[in-house]
Amino acid sequence: DAGVIQSPRHEVTEMGQEVTLRCKPISGHNSLFWYRQTMMRGLELLIYFNNNVPIDDSGMPEDRFSAKMPNASFSTLKIQPSEPRDSAVYFCASRGFETQYFGPGTRLLVL
Amino acid sequence: DQQVKQNSPSLSVQEGRISILNCDYTNSMFDYFLWYKKYPAEGPTFLISISSIKDKNEDGRFTVFLNKSAKHLSLHIVPSQPGDSAVYFCAASMNYGGSQGNLIFGKGTKLSVKP
Repeated sequence: DAGVIQSPRHEVTEMGQEVTLRCKPISGHNSLFWYRQTMMRGLELLIYFNNNVPIDDSGMPEDRFSAKMPNASFSTLKIQPSEPRDSAVYFCASRGFETQYFGPGTRLLVL
Repeated sequence: DQQVKQNSPSLSVQEGRISILNCDYTNSMFDYFLWYKKYPAEGPTFLISISSIKDKNEDGRFTVFLNKSAKHLSLHIVPSQPGDSAVYFCAASMNYGGSQGNLIFGKGTKLSVKP
């Protein structure tokens, strides 16, 4: 198995632009998580899905952030409009039984 | 308020010696604990876990100890190797009716193993 796949690996954009991050979970995993990592706050859970349904989005910072999981093999995290304080590494993870497996992350820089 | 705390942001150890990474938690409802290792430019990778019904779990050079009364867990690496140099995250979760909940992560400890 290729593991969790994220794209793009790096994204540089200007303030106000829309950013879309993509994730393909491990086949057969029924839970998917989006995290954000910053120096100040560490690894924060933004949202997680169970069987493609959003279960807890209390970590989503504000309405500029939205996430979808249209099917079991794909999820997106969208930021519109982006701001410099959104600069961080965004990780996607999927879980089968008890252990979460992380993707390599997307490093986002908003200028 | 942080529910999972790793109070040492960094640790330096000589190759061959023991590395001890510590983690404290505040929520007594946590019943499953994990350690993840993270190299630069990669995602965290699962290392070892322990259920609250145990006080020790061992996997090769890695051993995790859990002290529920002190709400403390530690990761021991013996012997430490230069390839162990990475950031180590402690994480905890609780069981909701048979389904494991979210992971709450500490901020990580950067381990440097010197040759």
